Amino acid sequence: GENVEQHPSTLSVQEGDSAVIKCTYSDSASNYFPWYKQELGKRPQLIIDIRSNVGEKKDQRIAVTLNKTAKHFSLHITETQPEDSAVYFCAAAWTNAGKSTFGDGTTLTVKP
Amino acid sequence: EAGVTQFPSHSVIEKGQTVTLRCDPISGHDNLYWYRRVMGKEIKFLLHFVKESKQDESGMPNNRFLAERTGGTYSTLKVQPAELEDSGVYFCASSPENSYEQYFGPGTRLTVT
Repeated sequence: GENVEQHPSTLSVQEGDSAVIKCTYSDSASNYFPWYKQELGKRPQLIIDIRSNVGEKKDQRIAVTLNKTAKHFSLHITETQPEDSAVYFCAAAWTNAGKSTFGDGTTLTVKP
Repeated sequence: EAGVTQFPSHSVIEKGQTVTLRCDPISGHDNLYWYRRVMGKEIKFLLHFVKESKQDESGMPNNRFLAERTGGTYSTLKVQPAELEDSGVYFCASSPENSYEQYFGPGTRLTVT
């Protein structure tokens, strides 16, 4: 089955700096890669996703890149703010409306 | 539009007892998923319903776990008898037909003592 590895497990940055979280996946059939943000005590929320026919996608301060050949994808957050502090999960899925396989999560702390 | 809801938010039970978790998906969402996060590890897939049918239950740990979705609306996940290793946060998610995006509920934190 699919296996997703996520690094780093914790990340601390100064406000205004950039943050990068990296994930690798094992199943070349995976074609959908969402990123979720879970703030303390709240539900995971989809913040950005990318499909396998696209190499990069941006939404304001966040971007995701995908390298299908190397089977890795990354989340980039620029100009970080304290409210970006949360646990971020990457995931990979291969069927439409099918299950997602998640990474272990990255705890991001943005220091003011 | 109301989001995915789960009940209870917390449950503390003793080993050997039974617990039933409930999930109400977003109205009209055919797909319903159960996931579990144990001790700060990954969010792990348990099973997937399409309407009332189990599409994929490959993630169910063992036969102490029973999921149902009668009528294709809300779903229940029963653990009987509960063991210590069942402790964790149980998430439910739903998505519309033929959609990749999953909407998560707030989770049920289960503690087995």
